[in-house]
Amino acid sequence: GAGVSQSPRYKVTKRGQDVALRCDPISGHVSLYWYRQALGQGPEFLTYFNYEAQQDKSGLPNDRFSAERPEGSISTLTIQRTEQRDSAMYRCASSLVEGGYEQYFGPGTRLTVT
Amino acid sequence: AQSVTQLGSHVSVSEGALVLLRCNYSSSVPPYLFWYVQYPNQGLQLLLKYTSAATLVKGINGFEAEFKKSETSFHLTKPSAHMSDAAEYFCAVSEGNTGGFKTIFGAGTRLFVKA
Repeated sequence: GAGVSQSPRYKVTKRGQDVALRCDPISGHVSLYWYRQALGQGPEFLTYFNYEAQQDKSGLPNDRFSAERPEGSISTLTIQRTEQRDSAMYRCASSLVEGGYEQYFGPGTRLTVT
Repeated sequence: AQSVTQLGSHVSVSEGALVLLRCNYSSSVPPYLFWYVQYPNQGLQLLLKYTSAATLVKGINGFEAEFKKSETSFHLTKPSAHMSDAAEYFCAVSEGNTGGFKTIFGAGTRLFVKA
């Protein structure tokens, strides 16, 4: 079956532009997570959803970052007015339900802000 | 709030030697604990997880980890390293609270295996 997919895989944008990163979770998975991973570091929690409800957004760095999952499936992470410090790998993961269940990770979107 | 500390950003072992990757966690409630592996240019893959059943957890590829509440540790071991084990390993903790089950990852330990 299909795993978690993310698009685009690579995104280069100029400082000040808005970007939208898409995550398509495994069908039927309730929970969807967004992480940011800097080179040589572990995934840094950003936010997560159960169905369409955003459960925790405490990891979003500032109000330029937002996420939605309007129909409880595909999710979009939006970064407004991008800055160079936003450059990183953005990873999405989904799990059957939250808690002690395995998270399945997508390949990530490499964002570069020039 | 939960946190994870992985001791040693790099560990090097000889092929056939014991692998020991250390993880200590902080959690205010009984946690769920995970080890994930990341191969170069790939996503993270679950090795094993602890969910309050047996304290010694066996995972894929011969890895296992032991939950020690008194030491707040969840160290990952493998009796005999193989070249294919060279990768980055991440420990993670997830606990339930009013906001749900946020998952926090450690900074990772890169394992090198020498022939």
